[in-house]
Parts: sequence; structure tokens; C-alpha cells
Amino acid sequence: EVQLVESGGGPVKPGGSLRLSCATSGFTFSDNSMNWLRQAPGKGPEWVSSISTTSGHIYYADSVRGRFTISRDNAKSSLSLQMTSLRVEDTAVYYCARGGGAQHWGQGTLVTVSS
Amino acid sequence: DIQMTQSPSSLSVSVGDRVTITCQASQDIKNYLNWYQQKPGKAPKVLIYDASNLETGVPSRFSGSGSGTYFTFTITSLQPEDIATYYCQQFDILPLTFGGGTKLEIK
Repeated sequence: EVQLVESGGGPVKPGGSLRLSCATSGFTFSDNSMNWLRQAPGKGPEWVSSISTTSGHIYYADSVRGRFTISRDNAKSSLSLQMTSLRVEDTAVYYCARGGGAQHWGQGTLVTVSS
Repeated sequence: DIQMTQSPSSLSVSVGDRVTITCQASQDIKNYLNWYQQKPGKAPKVLIYDASNLETGVPSRFSGSGSGTYFTFTITSLQPEDIATYYCQQFDILPLTFGGGTKLEIK
């Protein structure tokens, strides 16, 4: 069974940093591109970032480029998102998702940016 | 970015109803489209992938069709547990983009 478990969310002040992690199992992690998506309260999902299987290709939404960094550890089947210079508008549930189509999502971790 | 126009945004339904949701892409996305169901406080769950393929374990009352720019999602006989918000999502070109969602409510 495919499992993705996010962690690392929590409250943070504007300008602060957080590192999200996604532990995976049930599939060959190194064969799959991976994604981070988010969903602000009461809004639809929004793509944040994608990383290819060997980390050779990395993409970011314009809204987070230069502030967020995606990375992966194929040996540990894990995905990370380092978030810096956080803004109030970054408040959302953050999900990791498997594959180019982001077909399978974890349960999410809530990031709240507030003073 | 590819714009996904989903309609309707909300629908008042009764158990047993046939429900159809449409999604139009701003350019040809071939069949690179997923349909998700989301219940409050839960992550989106894929029901249909590649426009028309039923995800394993998903009841056969759910179906999807279309290619290119026009797609439809159908629930043939709505069950109480189907009350949720549904999203289409294209994955032909980054950024991945979503329709605005269709919220089903009981009539």
C-alpha cells in the first residue's frame, strides 16, 4: 500500500523558517518524481514544487521560488521542503504527492504563519 | 499556465441522482487529467486518473471521459458518502493546475 506521511508543520512567525518532511513506503521511491502541494483554508489545492527522480530537474511555483527548496533522499525514501522567509499567505496544509500526476497524496501537515 | 475551468461550482443533489461535472482546459492536455474527491479535513483522493481510468478500490459508479480540452466526470447513482468537493487537475505541463472545485450538497 502506498503511504506518504508528512511532518514538520506548525506555527511560525512571518519571516521564519520550517522544514517539512515526507516519509514514504509501499512503492519504489527512486522511480517516482515527487511533488509538494498546498491548500490554504477554504481554497483549492495549489502546486508548490516538483523534483525528478535523481533531483536533476526541480521546479517551483512563482509564489515560492527563491524561498522554498525541495530535496529528496532516495536511500531513505524521503522528501523534504525547506521553507524560509515565510509569509502569512503561505499558511496552508502542505501535502507531498507521488508521481508526475501527483496521483497519491499524504494526509498533510498544517503550516500556520502568523504574528 | 494551463487554466482549468470546472463547472458547476456547486450542486444540490439527492441520493440516487446522476451527477455530471465538466472540466475544460485552456489548451490540449491530451488525457493528462485526474479527478479527485475531497472530504472536509481530509486530503484529496484520486478517483479517476488519465481522464478515464478508475483508481483501484473506487466504486464503479464513478467514471470519467474526454481528451484534449474537454472532460466529464460522472457519478451514476449518488450515495450519501459521495457528498464532498470534487476537483479536476491537469498534469500535462507544470505547473500542475486544478479546477475551481465542485461542492456537492444534499438537496
